[in-house]
Amino acid sequence: EVQLVESGGGLVQPGGSLRLSCAASGFTFSSYYMTWVRQAPGKGLEWVANINQDGSDKPYVDSVKGRFTISRDNAKNSLYLQMNSLRAEDTAVYYCARYYSLMAPFDYWGQGTLVTVSS
Amino acid sequence: DIVMTQSPDSLAVSLGERATISCKSSQSVLYSSDNKNYLAWYQHKPGQPPKLLIYWASTRESGVPDRFSGSGSGTDFTLTISSLQAEDVAVYYCQHYYSSPTWTFGQGTKVEIK
Repeated sequence: EVQLVESGGGLVQPGGSLRLSCAASGFTFSSYYMTWVRQAPGKGLEWVANINQDGSDKPYVDSVKGRFTISRDNAKNSLYLQMNSLRAEDTAVYYCARYYSLMAPFDYWGQGTLVTVSS
Repeated sequence: DIVMTQSPDSLAVSLGERATISCKSSQSVLYSSDNKNYLAWYQHKPGQPPKLLIYWASTRESGVPDRFSGSGSGTDFTLTISSLQAEDVAVYYCQHYYSSPTWTFGQGTKVEIK
């Protein structure tokens, strides 16, 4: 069974940092592209960042460029999102998801982890 | 970037009746080399992760009830729930996956029971 389990969310002050993790199981993690998608309170889904299978290609939405870093460890079947210089507008539930090719839909999603940026 | 626009923002439908959601893209998501529309639909219920319903604009994901159908091509797409059930109450999103690396979603359509 495919499972994606996020962790690492919590309350952080503006300007602070947080590292999210996504533990994958039930599939060959190293064969899949991975992504982070977020949903701010009362808002819709927003794509945040992607990473290809070997971690060499990592595009980001403009609003997080230079602040967030996506990475993966294929030996540990894990995806990460390092979030620095956090702002109130980064408050959201963060989901990890997988997709099988460069241009493909996101077919499995984790349950999400809540990040709250507030003083 | 391709902008996805859904309508309506919300709709209330009686149980057993049809629900129809529209999604328009700011440019075509039909890829000429394979004649496929790079368009997906997701269902998002509160407290749950989004669920892939439809991809290639009209192909149902495994396990999705056949009351869900997708249609359209190019820039105009539709998600239809032929006979609304109570468990279909959710927010529905369209998403293009045509132009990497950005994958944008529509703003969402909330479906409720009338």
